[in-house]
Amino acid sequence: GAGVSQSPSNKVTEKGKDVELRCDPISGHTALYWYRQSLGQGLEFLIYFQGNSAPDKSGLPSDRFSAERTGGSVSTLTIQRTQQEDSAVYLCASSLASHLGSYNEQFFGPGTRLTVL
Amino acid sequence: GIQVEQSPPDLILQEGANSTLRCNFSDSVNNLQWFHQNPWGQLINLFYIPSGTKQNGRLSATTVATERYSLLYISSSQTTDSGVYFCAVDQSYSGAGSYQLTFGKGTKLSVIP
Repeated sequence: GAGVSQSPSNKVTEKGKDVELRCDPISGHTALYWYRQSLGQGLEFLIYFQGNSAPDKSGLPSDRFSAERTGGSVSTLTIQRTQQEDSAVYLCASSLASHLGSYNEQFFGPGTRLTVL
Repeated sequence: GIQVEQSPPDLILQEGANSTLRCNFSDSVNNLQWFHQNPWGQLINLFYIPSGTKQNGRLSATTVATERYSLLYISSSQTTDSGVYFCAVDQSYSGAGSYQLTFGKGTKLSVIP
């Protein structure tokens, strides 16, 4: 079946603008994750969804970042008032994980490269 | 939080050579995955291996959970093996929060013809 898809693949925006990044997980995967990859910080966790709820938002770097998931499927990551330090590749992953300690192989999408000018 | 250290940070190999990449982690884990990030940035799943040994073609991996390390073996390397190899772990069983993966900084592999 299809893997995790993300759109857009590239996004260039001006400082201060809002952006929305979209993730379509693998069908049937209840868990969805957002990560960020930047040169200085490596791969960092942002937020985790189980169904439509987000039990772990501990990685969101500021209140300018928010995410939602609807219908237990598609998720949108929104960054408000973008700053240059937000430039990074934003990666989405999904897994079948249904409870703590269970099988949790995560599969990643191709990412969205965000550049803030 | 848990620390994940990978070594070596950089590795240059002649095509056909073998290599071993190492991942050390500082606490017990529920899940350990090895990924290959290709030149286009895609993270490709290599192994889901919280313990034991697995093999897939020229690649194999071993995780010794009690000693908190994992090894990725690449045999008869090819130029297409070039890229960055990441080890990532989660501690979901321990009530640490969620299933979030904590990544090492990666090993950058360059295979030259």
